[in-house]
Amino acid sequence: SQTIHQWPATLVQPVGSPLSLECTVEGTSNPNLYWYRQAAGRGLQLLFYSVGIGQISSEVPQNLSASRPQDRQFILSSKKLLLSDSGFYLCAWSGGRPYSPLHFGNGTRLTVT
Amino acid sequence: DQQVKQNSPSLSVQEGRISILNCDYTNSMFDYFLWYKKYPAEGPTFLISISSIKDKNEDGRFTVFLNKSAKHLSLHIVPSQPGDSAVYFCAPMKTSYDKVIFGPGTSLSVIP
Repeated sequence: SQTIHQWPATLVQPVGSPLSLECTVEGTSNPNLYWYRQAAGRGLQLLFYSVGIGQISSEVPQNLSASRPQDRQFILSSKKLLLSDSGFYLCAWSGGRPYSPLHFGNGTRLTVT
Repeated sequence: DQQVKQNSPSLSVQEGRISILNCDYTNSMFDYFLWYKKYPAEGPTFLISISSIKDKNEDGRFTVFLNKSAKHLSLHIVPSQPGDSAVYFCAPMKTSYDKVIFGPGTSLSVIP
C-alpha cells in the first residue's frame, strides 16, 4: 500500500532563517506531488505541484521554493523565513490519473518567531 | 482566485439531524468534484466524489448532490454524528488539469 511521510511534525524557526521540509511517498511511482499551506483560520492554499522529476509549477509568488530531486521526494524550501510563512504545511500525492483523489501527509506546523 | 466558494464558514447541527454543506464554483470546465474531511492537526482525507454526468452519489450516511446548471454542489450527512465534527472542503477537478484547488472549507460541529 502507498504511504506518505512528511517531517518534521512541528518546527519553530526565527525570522530570516532557512527552511527545508521534506516529503516522501512509498508504494507508488510517478505520482503527482503537491505542497499546500493552511494559515490560521484559513483554507488550503496550493503552493506548488509537480507532475514529474524536476517539473515544478508555482502557484503563489513568494519566498518559498520547491524541488523534486527524485520521483517520490518533494522538498519545500526557503532561504529566509518571514513571519507570514507561519502555518500548517501539507504534502500530498495523487496517482496522476484523471480525477485521482489526493492523499495527504500529517502536516508540519511551522511557527516563525 | 475565487473559483470555489463555501459560503458557510461554520455550521452547528444536533446529533442525529441532517448536516448540509454547500459549495459553489465558477469554472464550467470542472467535471469532477471531491469532498475532503479534515480534523485539526491532520491532513485532509478523501470522503466522497461525484462526476458531472451524475446528479447524486451516495455512500452510507454521505450523499453529494450536483446541480451543474447552478454550478452548485452539496454534501448531506444523515444522521450526523459527533465524530463528523471536522472541516469539510470541496475540491473540483477537470481532465488533464493537474492543479487541485480547494474551497475555503466549512467547519461542522455536531452537538451530542
